[in-house]
Amino acid sequence: EDQVTQSPEALRLQEGESSSLNCSYTVSGLRGLFWYRQDPGKGPEFLFTLYSAGEEKEKERLKATLTKKESFLHITAPKPEDSATYLCAASGYSSASKIIFGSGTRLSIRP
Amino acid sequence: DTEVTQTPKHLVMGMTNKKSLKCEQHMGHRAMYWYKQKAKKPPELMFVYSYEKLSINESVPSRFSPECPNSSLLNLHLHALQPEDSALYLCASSQGPPGLTNSPLHFGNGTRLTVT
Repeated sequence: EDQVTQSPEALRLQEGESSSLNCSYTVSGLRGLFWYRQDPGKGPEFLFTLYSAGEEKEKERLKATLTKKESFLHITAPKPEDSATYLCAASGYSSASKIIFGSGTRLSIRP
Repeated sequence: DTEVTQTPKHLVMGMTNKKSLKCEQHMGHRAMYWYKQKAKKPPELMFVYSYEKLSINESVPSRFSPECPNSSLLNLHLHALQPEDSALYLCASSQGPPGLTNSPLHFGNGTRLTVT
């Protein structure tokens, strides 16, 4: 069964303290690995799609990377406005057209 | 601002009421989705429409009834809901039909539904 697992569940950082969020996936025939940011009471905001191992994408202080089993979301010198829940999701050839979400990492950046 | 618009933003309804949630997108996307999200949980898929036809129903109770009048609009009709149906209801769209493309979902900001 296809599965996406995120860790840690919650992460508190000081402003400027870089770190990484982990997304482990077990998906047969990965079609795409997606990262989203979700603020409280809002819908998830699309950040990145990664398609194959070795691929990297960047946006401001965020960089997403992909291996054959995991994806990482690296946050460099975060600011309080980066506080949000970050969701990882995967789509595979065997998952019958469904995108499978991980349970998210709640990130809090203290000033 | 998102390119997927949902109305209303908040809805309070009694268990005997009938109400509808609305979703609109003008990105030319051919697939549209309804998700349900409880607090501190990921979104749960309810329905998928592909080219205006229902392609996935995740065994959702019949008190939820989806409708896709055209490629830009998606409705969710609600009737005789239970308090446990209170949640954030999210609409999403994607460029291509699920299963044929790997395009990402684009979400609206949801309708916060409270059933009393």
